[in-house]
Amino acid sequence: DIQLTQSPSFLSASVGDRVTITCRASQGISSYLAWYQQKPGKAPKLLIYSASTLQSGVPSRFSGSGSGTEFTLTISSLQPEDFATYYCQQLDSYPITFGGGTRVEIK
Amino acid sequence: QITLKESGPTLVKPTQTLTLTCTFSGFSLSTSNVAVDWIRQPPGKALEWLALIYWDDDERYSPSLKSRLTITKDTSKNQVVLTMTNMDPVDTATYYCAHKGGRGFGDDYWGQGTLVTVSS
Repeated sequence: DIQLTQSPSFLSASVGDRVTITCRASQGISSYLAWYQQKPGKAPKLLIYSASTLQSGVPSRFSGSGSGTEFTLTISSLQPEDFATYYCQQLDSYPITFGGGTRVEIK
Repeated sequence: QITLKESGPTLVKPTQTLTLTCTFSGFSLSTSNVAVDWIRQPPGKALEWLALIYWDDDERYSPSLKSRLTITKDTSKNQVVLTMTNMDPVDTATYYCAHKGGRGFGDDYWGQGTLVTVSS
C-alpha cells in the first residue's frame, strides 16, 4: 500500500495567513493526488485533483503543487471559513489511501 | 445535479453483516469511467477507503478488508450496495459513498454519510 504522510498534523493560524500543508507519498504517484477539506459533521469536499487542478467552485486562494512523492496544498490568505481538517488522497494505485489529516485551527 | 445518499442500519451487533445502500441521482453508472466509492471515518479519526465499483463492473477493495466486503451495483435502480460481514466494534464509523468521474480522479460528490455503531 502507498502510505501518505501529512505534515503538520495540527496547525494554528490567523485569518490572512499563508498556510502550507505537505503530503509525502511512500512511493511515486505521478500527479494522482487529491486534496479535501472536511468540516465537523460534514462530508469531505474535493478542493484539488491531479495535484494542481482546482475543482470547480473552489476559491482561487487554494492551490496545489507537486508530483512524484511530495505535494503541497497552499491557502494564500486564510479565511474564517477555511478552518477545517484537510486530507490528501492518492489515486495512483489500489488501494486508494488517505493521509492522516491536518487540522487547521484559529490562533 | 449529482446527489448521493447512504442508507442502512444505524446499529448492528458484533458478528452481524452490515448492508449499506447508496442511492444516487444525476449520473448513470453505465456511463464510461464513472465509479462509486465507499469510504468510512471512525469518530475523530481519518478517512479510510473501502471499495469502489466502476461502470464496467470493475471492483476494487481495500486489501485489509477484502475478505469481508462485497460491492455491487444496480444500474436500473441507481444504487450501489456495500456489504461487510462479521462486524466488530472497531467498525463503528460514518460510512460515505461518493462519485468518482474516472480512474485517477478524486471524489467530487459525496453523500451526507451514515453513522453505523457496532455494539451488543
